[in-house]
Amino acid sequence: AQTVTQSQPEMSVQEAETVTLSCTYDTSESDYYLFWYKQPPSRQMILVIRQEAYKQQNATENRFSVNFQKAAKSFSLKISDSQLGDAAMYFCAYRYLYGGATNKLIFGTGTLLAVQP
Amino acid sequence: EAEVAQSPRYKITEKSQAVAFWCDPISGHATLYWYRQILGQGPELLVQFQDESVVDDSQLPKDRFSAERLKGVDSTLKIQPAELGDSAMYLCASSPDRASGYTFGSGTRLTVV
Repeated sequence: AQTVTQSQPEMSVQEAETVTLSCTYDTSESDYYLFWYKQPPSRQMILVIRQEAYKQQNATENRFSVNFQKAAKSFSLKISDSQLGDAAMYFCAYRYLYGGATNKLIFGTGTLLAVQP
Repeated sequence: EAEVAQSPRYKITEKSQAVAFWCDPISGHATLYWYRQILGQGPELLVQFQDESVVDDSQLPKDRFSAERLKGVDSTLKIQPAELGDSAMYLCASSPDRASGYTFGSGTRLTVV
């Protein structure tokens, strides 16, 4: 069974600094997607960034980028120039590309990011 | 921007009572998911619909939980009877296809007393 592990329950970063959130996953599949979601205190989950496993190039979305290491099954999120609005719970998630009808997202336990002014 | 609508936002219910949650996905999204998120944990799938059909309800406690998506549009998740351990956030999400991420609703915070 696929699993997603986030080993950092909490992280803290100073405003304008850079922080990296870690995520590892376990799967025997080769075709899948990985995601980072942000859940602010208002609760709605927001997609931050997506990475296709078949792409070697790391995904980037403005201040957010990932370091995808397929062989190591590692998928970290880097937030550059951290802003107060980045404070939230961040979830790493895995989704198998095929697998018949069901293709659910499997989530890690989350990392709570605090941004200090 | 299109949103996934959920109601109610908060619900407090007594143990053994029935409770229901409603979700309206983004128009055109064939796949609808109900997740449960216990405080401090990641969401876990309860049930997945493809149009009006259930494709995964392996983690749904079927003795007390039921879900339906009549006509393949909006969906209702019901708990009868509610137990203290059901206190959690119930998230609804929809997706246009398997290559895309989900769009989540704001969730329903259930407290069972």
